[in-house]
Amino acid sequence: DARVTQTPRHKVTEMGQEVTMRCQPILGHNTVFWYRQTMMQGLELLAYFRNRAPLDDSGMPKDRFSAEMPDATLATLKIQPSEPRDSAVYFCASRSGGVGSPLHFGNGTRLTVT
Amino acid sequence: DAKTTQPPSMDCAEGRAANLPCNHSTISGNEYVYWYRQIHSQGPQYIIHGLKNNETNEMASLIITEDRKSSTLILPHATLRDTAVYYCIVRVASAGGTSYGKLTFGQGTILTVHP
Repeated sequence: DARVTQTPRHKVTEMGQEVTMRCQPILGHNTVFWYRQTMMQGLELLAYFRNRAPLDDSGMPKDRFSAEMPDATLATLKIQPSEPRDSAVYFCASRSGGVGSPLHFGNGTRLTVT
Repeated sequence: DAKTTQPPSMDCAEGRAANLPCNHSTISGNEYVYWYRQIHSQGPQYIIHGLKNNETNEMASLIITEDRKSSTLILPHATLRDTAVYYCIVRVASAGGTSYGKLTFGQGTILTVHP
């Protein structure tokens, strides 16, 4: 089964440090999404890309978060500087361009900022 | 995208059918119903989707009412591994457009399958 791969699975860092999370979408999928999940807010959409171009990042705190797709096989989500309120599980998902095609999610990066 | 309403939690005995309801009374004609589930410590997993006809796959069946205002996800023989949060999501199933297939998750239904 093709899968979305996220690294690292867990990250513990101190406030103020830079954090980079990586995602390898399923080969051939041209739309990539970043979600964040917390107990309080549930699953929130942060940003998404189509054919590597950013389409909407209105869900992201602009001052500290950035998302990029250096190539079709890699998406990154960066937080600089990190804050304790950024502690959450960050999920990447990808889908093909077909009508109705579902999103396929990775197993997330659990970020803890102390 | 149309809003959905699901019960916060449900229980089911192992081996029995689990029937998870979802109300989406404001659904539009071009909006599909999607079901995902999230098992603890994993990412959401796609289960099934449909427009107006009932659908079945190897995981589940989806029954959509004739007026499309509600649907039921059926797990025919629930196992302990089906314990998860189940999300019902309504969205336009376009290849492009302005949303590109993004999903908006609600709180879902916590299904607990017990022995």
